[in-house]
Amino acid sequence: TQLLEQSPQFLSIQEGENLTVYCNSSSVFSSLQWYRQEPGEGPVLLVTVVTGGEVKKLKRLTFQFGDARKDSSLHITAAQPGDTGLYLCAGEEETGNQFYFGTGTSLTVIP
Amino acid sequence: DAMVIQNPRYQVTQFGKPVTLSCSQTLNHNVMYWYQQKSSQAPKLLFHYYDKDFNNEADTPDNFQSRRPNTSFCFLDIRSPGLGDAAMYLCATSSDGTSGAEQFFGPGTRLTVL
Repeated sequence: TQLLEQSPQFLSIQEGENLTVYCNSSSVFSSLQWYRQEPGEGPVLLVTVVTGGEVKKLKRLTFQFGDARKDSSLHITAAQPGDTGLYLCAGEEETGNQFYFGTGTSLTVIP
Repeated sequence: DAMVIQNPRYQVTQFGKPVTLSCSQTLNHNVMYWYQQKSSQAPKLLFHYYDKDFNNEADTPDNFQSRRPNTSFCFLDIRSPGLGDAAMYLCATSSDGTSGAEQFFGPGTRLTVL
């Protein structure tokens, strides 16, 4: 099992604030995915990053894959209450087929 | 438009009584996964199928078994559920395992063990 650590584990912020979530590992991944999960539902894919150093933007969300493909970050600008949820990163091992989830970041955005 | 379907959404079983959870997909993906997710934790990979090839995670208890009779269906069998097996069970699929393949998740089955 390849360990992916996310930080922070819990985050509670006011609407309009910015935040960054980190996903770190000592292992190299061929790709990394970010998901958002709401209570009682399955994770929903937000983005996949594949190339070291890659940056992808999804409206107010910016995702970056580390140059060495061992870490990633998710930055949210001007957070809104609708952003509340559990954010999960998942790394795809280099031999393919297997994905390992990070420890998760529970985000609460207070109106 | 449902792509990964899990039935039932909620399952209640008794301690020690075998239970089967089912997953079906309309994506024709050749890889299917089962994850266990306990409250406030990240999903934990139990095993996955690449076509008919079964791949078990080293720390998955023997109490958990899986079957994949065809491309579309995959089952999770819990032979003797314990109280610690109460969790959300998530099924996911992905295409042929090339780098960057995306996982698609079902809505999950929440298992309660009495």
